[in-house]
Amino acid sequence: GQNIDQPTEMTATEGAIVQINCTYQTSGFNGLFWYQQHAGEAPTFLSYNVLDGLEEKGRFSSFLSRSKGYSYLLLKELQMKDSASYLCAEKNRDDKIIFGKGTRLHILP
Amino acid sequence: GAVVSQHPSWVICKSGTSVKIECRSLDFQATTMFWYRQFPKQSLMLMATSNEGSKATYEQGVEKDKFLINHASLTLSTLTVTSAHPEDSSFYICSANPLGGNNSYEQYFGPGTRLTVT
Repeated sequence: GQNIDQPTEMTATEGAIVQINCTYQTSGFNGLFWYQQHAGEAPTFLSYNVLDGLEEKGRFSSFLSRSKGYSYLLLKELQMKDSASYLCAEKNRDDKIIFGKGTRLHILP
Repeated sequence: GAVVSQHPSWVICKSGTSVKIECRSLDFQATTMFWYRQFPKQSLMLMATSNEGSKATYEQGVEKDKFLINHASLTLSTLTVTSAHPEDSSFYICSANPLGGNNSYEQYFGPGTRLTVT
């Protein structure tokens, strides 16, 4: 199976920038997702990377290095509503999306 | 945008009974739907892939006779938890890939169903 590793928890301050890292197993790689999930709700799509490089979408950016099996999600100008879990997920060759354990991000005022 | 619904949104049942959860794609068709389970403070675990018109494929460790999946149409998949036990209490989430979608990576999640077995 795929080993997806990301920090369990992170804390950042409102208005600041935070980077959430994710490493994954490269064999069978077919794409890398980031999802946001608030407690008790379903995940919402943030980004999808299949090629190396940085994808910017407003306050959120996602980076991928396929050779290193590494991705990060960058959140800028943090807002209190950004307090949530951020899930790194890998799409495998069978088109299944396998999720990491998620990073709980706490935003302090 | 594409919408996936689940029914019920929450359910409480007694140990030993069966519970059916529906997943519907409201404005698109999907030959493939996925069922996930999420325990508190843990991530989503893929349980099975629901295939329209054929048998579901289950992930390792998931009992197919306990978690019955039926995907009878291009807009509906059902998950039945048979003989539920308290350890089956969890948040069940489905997702669907639009048939012929513009982006091959599209996958839309339902709002989830919280099951509590007493």
